[in-house]
Amino acid sequence: GAVVSQHPSRVICKSGTSVKIECRSLDFQATTMFWYRQFPKKSLMLMATSNEGSKATYEQGVEKDKFLINHASLTLSTLTVTSAHPEDSSFYICSAKPRGGRTEAFFGQGTRLTVV
Amino acid sequence: DAKTTQPPSMDCAEGRAANLPCNHSTISGNEYVYWYRQIHSQGPQYIIHGLKNNETNEMASLIITEDRKSSTLILPHATLRDTAVYYCIVRSSGSARQLTFGSGTQLTVLP
Repeated sequence: GAVVSQHPSRVICKSGTSVKIECRSLDFQATTMFWYRQFPKKSLMLMATSNEGSKATYEQGVEKDKFLINHASLTLSTLTVTSAHPEDSSFYICSAKPRGGRTEAFFGQGTRLTVV
Repeated sequence: DAKTTQPPSMDCAEGRAANLPCNHSTISGNEYVYWYRQIHSQGPQYIIHGLKNNETNEMASLIITEDRKSSTLILPHATLRDTAVYYCIVRSSGSARQLTFGSGTQLTVLP
């Protein structure tokens, strides 16, 4: 299957700093990538949809100035958590949908963010 | 996208077949049934998908009822590494929209 690589897998940062998470499709091109957030024992919640070359679309209640998304190429999308606070601690997951005929989406390994 | 209903949890003995049900009674004609699983602290993993015919791959089999209102994911010989949350998702194939995850079924494979 297609591979999506997410980096870093774990990060600890201090309150007030910013953290960048990368999501790469390794063997396919993805015009659309999605960013999810997951709290313990809960299901995935969509944060935003990232389209290559255009602005991301954010879900209701997600602050676009806090969660900056850049989809600079067909294989890379980044999520930057700005001015992180402890309540931003969570598991962040990206997914990418291959362009062309394939209908399934593929997911990265996830990033465990801990803000101290 | 049609809503799905899954049991919150199931147990299965190692080496036996695991049969995970999913109800999607409001599915429409152009919507596919997708199955993903999420092992603890990892991203979801694609398993299989289908429209109306039964499907099989190296991971699992998908049985869809004739009226398409329900389906069953079958792991033929469950191992301890199959312990995970299994999500059944219904979505139209041409959609570029995100996958919407419900609560899923926590499958625990017992030794």
